Amino acid sequence: AQTVTQSQPEMSVQEAETVTLSCTYDTSESDYYLFWYKQPPSRQMILVIRQEAYKQQNATENRFSVNFQKAAKSFSLKISDSQLGDAAMYFCAYRPRALNTDKLIFGTGTRLQVFP
Amino acid sequence: DTGVSQNPRHKITKRGQNVTFRCDPISEHNRLYWYRQTLGQGPEFLTYFQNEAQLEKSRLLSDRFSAERPKGSFSTLEIQRTEQGDSAMYLCASSLAFGNRVADTQYFGPGTRLTVL
Repeated sequence: AQTVTQSQPEMSVQEAETVTLSCTYDTSESDYYLFWYKQPPSRQMILVIRQEAYKQQNATENRFSVNFQKAAKSFSLKISDSQLGDAAMYFCAYRPRALNTDKLIFGTGTRLQVFP
Repeated sequence: DTGVSQNPRHKITKRGQNVTFRCDPISEHNRLYWYRQTLGQGPEFLTYFQNEAQLEKSRLLSDRFSAERPKGSFSTLEIQRTEQGDSAMYLCASSLAFGNRVADTQYFGPGTRLTVL
């Protein structure tokens, strides 16, 4: 069974600094998607960034970028120039590319605090 | 239409009662998903629909849980004979799938928080 592990329950960063959130996963599949979702307090979950496993190039979205290491099954999120609005729970998620299933498998999340 | 909506946002009920939640997806999305999130955990998949067809169900979806999407638009999730362990946030998401292509990004609603006393 596929699993996603986020080993950092909490992280903190100072405004304008850079922080990296870790995620590892376990799967026997070779083709899949990986996601980072952000869940602000009492607000809905929004997609931060996605990565397709067959693409070697790391995805980037403005201040957010990933370090995707397929052989190591590692998918970390780097937030540059952190802002107060980045404070939230961050969830790493895996989704198989198979056509007979369409579910996200989430990690337990990392709570990010941003200090002024 | 600005996103996925869920009603009610909060529900408090007594053990043994039945509850029903509603989810309205983004209007052009043909896939709709239900997840459950307990405190300190990530969301766990329950089930998903493509149009009105329920295509996948998790083992977490016990006999007391039933989900429907009768006209391929909104969906309801009913929990019968609620138990204290059912207390959680119930999240709905939607996406757009084309034919046999893997569906696009899942967009989440704000969730319904259920408290069973």
